[in-house]
Amino acid sequence: GAGVSQSPSNKVTEKGKDVELRCDPISGHTALYWYRQRLGQGLEFLIYFQGNSAPDKSGLPSDRFSAERTGESVSTLTIQRTQQEDSAVYLCASSPGQLEQYFGPGTRLTVT
Amino acid sequence: LAKTTQPISMDSYEGQEVNITCSHNNIATNDYITWYQQFPSQGPRFIIQGYKTKVTNEVASLFIPADRKSSTLSLPRVSLSDTAVYYCLVAFSGGYNKLIFGAGTRLAVHP
Repeated sequence: GAGVSQSPSNKVTEKGKDVELRCDPISGHTALYWYRQRLGQGLEFLIYFQGNSAPDKSGLPSDRFSAERTGESVSTLTIQRTQQEDSAVYLCASSPGQLEQYFGPGTRLTVT
Repeated sequence: LAKTTQPISMDSYEGQEVNITCSHNNIATNDYITWYQQFPSQGPRFIIQGYKTKVTNEVASLFIPADRKSSTLSLPRVSLSDTAVYYCLVAFSGGYNKLIFGAGTRLAVHP
C-alpha cells in the first residue's frame, strides 16, 4: 500500500514569504506527527495530531508556525514570514498506534 | 522521556557483524526501545523494537539486558547498503510518542 507522502519535495522561498507544506498519511493512521531536521542533525518534534486534534503543540518554535489536520487525513504545516533559520527538512510521520511511526520523504525548505 | 546515548560514528566492512550499543539509564517501566534507520535524503525507517531480552526480525536483532539500561542493535553481515544513520529511541507505550531523536550513530560500511 501507499506510504506517507509529502509535497512539495523541495521548496525555495524568499525570506518573509509564507509557505505551506502538505502531508498525506497512511490511510487509517489516527496519529500524525511533524518533525524538523536541520542539516546533519537529529529530528526535532514539532506537533502531534490525534485525529484532527492537536493535543501537543509544544514543539512549534514560534507563533509563525501552525498546523492543521482535516478529515483525520491530510495535514498542512504553515510557516508565516519565513526566516533563514527555518531552512530544514520537514518530516511527517503517521502511526497506527502508540509505538511505530512511518515517515514520509520530507520537504526540503530553503529560505533565501 | 528517557535520554539515550550512542556512539557518534562507527566503521565496518562488508560481511561483518555490527553491534551498536545505546544507553538509556532513565528508561521507565512503560518505555519500549526502538531503533530507526535513516538514509540520506529520506525519512527515518523503523527497523526494530523491544522491551526486554532479545528480539529478532529479518533485518536485525535487538539485545536488552535485564536492567534495561542499555540495548544493542546487531546487524548481521552488513553490506554497503547498510551505510546509514541509526537512531536509538525510547517510546512510551502508554500514549503517543513525540520521539526524541539524538544525533544517532553514523555507520559507514566499507568494501
